[in-house]
Order: sequence, then C-alpha cells, then structure tokens
Amino acid sequence: QVQLVQSGVEVKQPGASVKVSCRTSGYTFSSYGINWVRQAPGQGLEWMGWISGFNGDTKHAQKFQDRVTMTTDTSTKTAYMELRSLRSDDTALYYCARENLMNGVHWYFDLWGRGTLVTVSS
Amino acid sequence: ESVLTQSPGTLSLSPGERATLSCRASQSVWYNYLAWYQQKPGQAPRLLIFGASSRATGIPDRFSGSGSETDFTLTISRLEPEDFAVYYCQQYGSSLTFGGGTKVEIK
Repeated sequence: QVQLVQSGVEVKQPGASVKVSCRTSGYTFSSYGINWVRQAPGQGLEWMGWISGFNGDTKHAQKFQDRVTMTTDTSTKTAYMELRSLRSDDTALYYCARENLMNGVHWYFDLWGRGTLVTVSS
Repeated sequence: ESVLTQSPGTLSLSPGERATLSCRASQSVWYNYLAWYQQKPGQAPRLLIFGASSRATGIPDRFSGSGSETDFTLTISRLEPEDFAVYYCQQYGSSLTFGGGTKVEIK
C-alpha cells in the first residue's frame, strides 16, 4: 500500500528540538522527494523544505534555513525533519508530502502523511 | 518570490451551486505549474488539480481548473455535501509556495 506514516504527537519546551519521521511504503523511495509542510492551528499551509529520496539533496525555505535539518534513511525508506530552537509559534501540525523527482524541478504533492502534531509549551 | 493570493477568503454556497475560486500570482507561474488541493477538517490536503487544469487520479469531473500566467481558477460545477472544505492553490516548478486558502462553507 502506497502511504506515508508519520510519527506521533510531540510536546516540547521552548528551546528544545524535535525530530519527526515519515516512513514510506509501497513505492520506489529513490524516485521521489519528500517535502515538509506545516500548518499552525487554524492557519494555512507553509512549505518548509524538501529532500531528495535519490541522493539526499535538500532545499529549505529561507525562514527555516538555520533551524531545520532534513535527512533520509534509505535502508528503512524513512525521511526525517528536525527543527531546533523551538518557539511557541512552532506549534503546528507537520506534514510530509511526496513529490516526483523531475530533474531539479519541483513537482506537485501527490501523497501526504496524516501529520504530526508538535506542541511547544513551557 | 512569487506570492499567491486566493479569493475570496470564504465562499458561502448551497449544495448544487457552482463555486468559483480564484488564485492570483504576483509573478507569472512557470509553465503554469499550478496545483489545487482540498483539505477537510482533521485531514491532510488532497491533490485535486495539477498543471493548472489536469485532474488528479480519482477526482470527479465536477472539479475543473483553468487559467494561465498569473490568474487561475478552480471551479466546482455543482457542490456536493462532501465538497465543503478549504482549498489551497500551490505553485511548483522553480519554487514552492501556497496560497492562503479559500473556505467553501454551507450557506
């Protein structure tokens, strides 16, 4: 079954880090990239960055450039997103979403995980 | 970076009516690489339209996309009860950005 399964709810204190996982199945991991998109409560979608399942290349939105690390484990076909120096406004639902690899051109997201809720609170 | 502006913010319609949603880009969208997503409460977004006008797999033909360069439209020809949701446009290709969303609510 083609799916993205994300890790569970996280509650973190301000200043801490969180690492969210996205386990893929049912397709060729190296033929796709994984994007990370977040959605604050009651708000819209915000693209955070992308990682290639083929070679691990990454691209991040400038807003998150110095706080986010995206990695993959090809042996388990899992993508990870680590966000550091958490603040209260990082409280959001974090989604992973798949895109076809198209020779350096970003593509639409045809498969989404169900989201991981990250709450940042003291 | 090109900004996508969706309008209206909220659309109040009755089942069976036609819905017209707008997405305007501050710069021309490269190769009309514009997608539309539907998001229902408590669910992840779902791809509806890509390439401005191509329906994704399994999407009913009451959903249609049109437009080019900076002006794009998502039309739902006759609203079904399950179509009441929030809709987002997204540009892809050289960059990835989302519009702010349009909520289609029951009047």
